[in-house]
Amino acid sequence: QVQLQVSGPGLVNPSETLSLTCSFSGTSISKYYWNWIRQPPGKGLEWLAYIYYTGSTDYNPSLKSRVTISVDTSKNQFSLKLRSVTAADTAVYYCGASWYDGEMSAFTFWSRGTMVSVSS
Amino acid sequence: EIVLTQSPGTLSLSPGERATLSCRASQSVRSRYLAWYQQKPGQAPRLLVFRASNRATGIPDRFSGSGSGTDFTLSISRLEPEDFAVYYCQQYGSSPYTFGQGTTLEIK
Repeated sequence: QVQLQVSGPGLVNPSETLSLTCSFSGTSISKYYWNWIRQPPGKGLEWLAYIYYTGSTDYNPSLKSRVTISVDTSKNQFSLKLRSVTAADTAVYYCGASWYDGEMSAFTFWSRGTMVSVSS
Repeated sequence: EIVLTQSPGTLSLSPGERATLSCRASQSVRSRYLAWYQQKPGQAPRLLVFRASNRATGIPDRFSGSGSGTDFTLSISRLEPEDFAVYYCQQYGSSPYTFGQGTTLEIK
């Protein structure tokens, strides 16, 4: 069973950078795409980005200019950096794993969400 | 970007009844790469169905998915009390991987 856990600050100042890390266990890093998804309060889900352990990435164009995803294979972690945040980036952030077989697949495993608020 | 529209927004039913949830895509979903998730308050979404009609591990057989192209359906044959939640469809056939806005299944 794959387990994922998000860590990072729960409060970020406007215009600064939101940084989150997802730690995973229970699997080999090569078996999954590693994703970030978010959910504003009371709203739906938005996929942000994925990374594969080779460094291959894809981003949601709605955020592409502000977001970077990276992976640390030695620590079984991947990270999200979202720059120049505003109140619209306030959301519950999830990391998730989708099976790798050369194409994207459904998000089989999810972390518990972590609430990140953007406010001064 | 593929836009997914779910209907109805809210579905009010009683335990034991059958639920039918719809997900319509703005363009054809490649290879039926359509998933359904269940989300309860304060919890992460849980994968129910992948590739339109395949139940995920551990999902009861009262949940079934169908459809292709632009029209997909999630059916729950006999509602149990624990089934009342929000349901999302998601397409993963083309990036960006988008979700529908959700259907709330509430107890009547």
